[in-house]
Amino acid sequence: AQSVAQPEDQVNVAEGNPLTVKCTYSVSGNPYLFWYVQYPNRGLQFLLKYITGDNLVKGSYGFEAEFNKSQTSFHLKKPSALVSDSALYFCAVRDMGSSNTGKLIFGQGTTLQVKP
Amino acid sequence: DVKVTQSSRYLVKRTGEKVFLECVQDMDHENMFWYRQDPGLGLRLIYFSYDVKMKEKGDIPEGYSVSREKKERFSLILESASTNQTSMYLCASRSGGRGDNQPQHFGDGTRLSIL
Repeated sequence: AQSVAQPEDQVNVAEGNPLTVKCTYSVSGNPYLFWYVQYPNRGLQFLLKYITGDNLVKGSYGFEAEFNKSQTSFHLKKPSALVSDSALYFCAVRDMGSSNTGKLIFGQGTTLQVKP
Repeated sequence: DVKVTQSSRYLVKRTGEKVFLECVQDMDHENMFWYRQDPGLGLRLIYFSYDVKMKEKGDIPEGYSVSREKKERFSLILESASTNQTSMYLCASRSGGRGDNQPQHFGDGTRLSIL
């Protein structure tokens, strides 16, 4: 079965330090991977996606993600965290089942807390 | 910018009521989705639609139905609300064909409480 795992419920980091939010996946075939962010009382906002090509993908708000096929991971990173980055982050993979619906399978989410 | 609008931010209903959640998008997207979000469970897909009058079951369709009579509007219906349907409901839309890789755009959600 296809799945996405975010092994950390919460990540704490000091402002100005680098941050990493982890994501691992399990799919058949080549994965299509996404990161979304959710601020309090808001819907999800798209950050970045990996479809093919360079393993390092750059996205919105200074975020980037590294695709690692051998480790089946797609970790979200930022070189210098801001307090305003505090939010709930979701990793998602496109369902590659036979019906080809293009629907997404989401991880359970990771809360990022950036302290001043 | 894409705008996905959900008609209510907060809604309180009683057990057994028929509940309608409305979602409208303004970018002529073919695909629309309804999710529910629960702590520790992430987002779970209820129903989706890739064209007008078309609908497909997601992962947790039981107790729900949908309607898509116009391209811009996708309604989620709780036929007989129960307390275990208390949740945050998120609508999303996406351009492209059925299996496309365009990102989904989300509304701000409806927090539904069933008493």
